[in-house]
Amino acid sequence: DAGVTQSPTHLIKTRGQQVTLRCSPISGHKSVSWYQQVLGQGPQFIFQYYEKEERGRGNFPDRFSARQFPNYSSELNVNALLLGDSALYLCASSLGRGFTNEQFFGPGTRLTVL
Amino acid sequence: KQEVTQIPAALSVPEGENLVLNCSFTDSAIYNLQWFRQDPGKGLTSLLLIQSSQREQTSGRLNASLDKSSGRSTLYIAASQPGDSATYLCAVIWNQAGTALIFGKGTTLSVSS
Repeated sequence: DAGVTQSPTHLIKTRGQQVTLRCSPISGHKSVSWYQQVLGQGPQFIFQYYEKEERGRGNFPDRFSARQFPNYSSELNVNALLLGDSALYLCASSLGRGFTNEQFFGPGTRLTVL
Repeated sequence: KQEVTQIPAALSVPEGENLVLNCSFTDSAIYNLQWFRQDPGKGLTSLLLIQSSQREQTSGRLNASLDKSSGRSTLYIAASQPGDSATYLCAVIWNQAGTALIFGKGTTLSVSS
């Protein structure tokens, strides 16, 4: 079975631009979460979606937004990019709602903001 | 504030050695704790999930223990191999509704042949 997939693998943008990252969960998983990992740090929670509704939000500015589609795939959008947004963006999926189920992560999207 | 701490930040051992990675967390009211492995520039691979009612979980050469009362978890790796070289991350979910996985900064393990 395919694991969590993310696209693109790498992305280079300039300050002020907008970016969209994509995630497809494991088949049968209905929950998708997004995390940001800067170099040398553990991942930090951005959003969680379950059944197309936002179930949790981390301490990130409104420039960050996300949505989940009927097929449970998800997009993360970041507007007005800043240099500090450069990071590895990770998507995780799990079977059920909330964070009580085991989380499975994708390979990530490496975003570089110049 | 709910925090996860992993010590040491880095560890180097010769092949074949048994080793222990440590994870400590504030607030013992956790729901579960998960250990992950991350290779450089890659995503996270789930290694073990321990529910709050459990004391340990085992998978192959890996054994994770949980002591909620002391706010600690350990990941034991038996007979280490060069392929075990990676960063190991500990993450906790607390009972509070809507709380996400809270990660430590990880321990970077290097196993030399």
